[in-house]
Amino acid sequence: EAGVAQSPRYKIIEKRQSVAFWCNPISGHATLYWYQQILGQGPKLLIQFQNNGVVDDSQLPKDRFSAERLKGVDSTLKIQPAKLEDSAVYLCASSYDRQTQYFGPGTRLLVL
Amino acid sequence: AQSVTQLDSQVPVFEEAPVELRCNYSSSVSVYLFWYVQYPNQGLQLLLKYLSGSTLVKGINGFEAEFNKSQTSFHLRKPSVHISDTAEYFCAVMTRDMRFGAGTRLTVKP
Repeated sequence: EAGVAQSPRYKIIEKRQSVAFWCNPISGHATLYWYQQILGQGPKLLIQFQNNGVVDDSQLPKDRFSAERLKGVDSTLKIQPAKLEDSAVYLCASSYDRQTQYFGPGTRLLVL
Repeated sequence: AQSVTQLDSQVPVFEEAPVELRCNYSSSVSVYLFWYVQYPNQGLQLLLKYLSGSTLVKGINGFEAEFNKSQTSFHLRKPSVHISDTAEYFCAVMTRDMRFGAGTRLTVKP
């Protein structure tokens, strides 16, 4: 069974630029999560989708972050404009039972 | 809201020695508990989980954890570690959403 796929793996941008990350969950997993992991910290949930609907986006900075999951499969997370403090690893995870989450390898973002 | 505290940020240990990584949580409702491992430049991999039933949970790679409701703890143990166990370990608690601890860096020395 293929795991959670994410791209790109690494991205370097300058502040005020925009960036987008892509995630393809495990086939059949209805729930998809985006996490932000700042260096030295545990992952923090940004947004949770159930199929193509948002379940929880309470910790998503909506003035600059947006996410979509249009067909209930893959998802895109966007940052516009980026700030220095957005430098982090962005992890995507999926779940079939909303209990056990399976994580992708992450996208490491550096904002200069 | 629930929270997780991993009591040790770094744990150095010699190869073949036993190890315990400590995790305490707080929550006003019943929780599910998880331990994940993260190797460099990789995502998180599930080691084990407690959902209900037996309080002693066995996971992959020889790890186990014990849920202690009275002490609100979920400590991770392994009787004999290998060099390959060197990684970051995260404890997580789930009620409505998943909350992670700050992580414990386990370094196994030869």
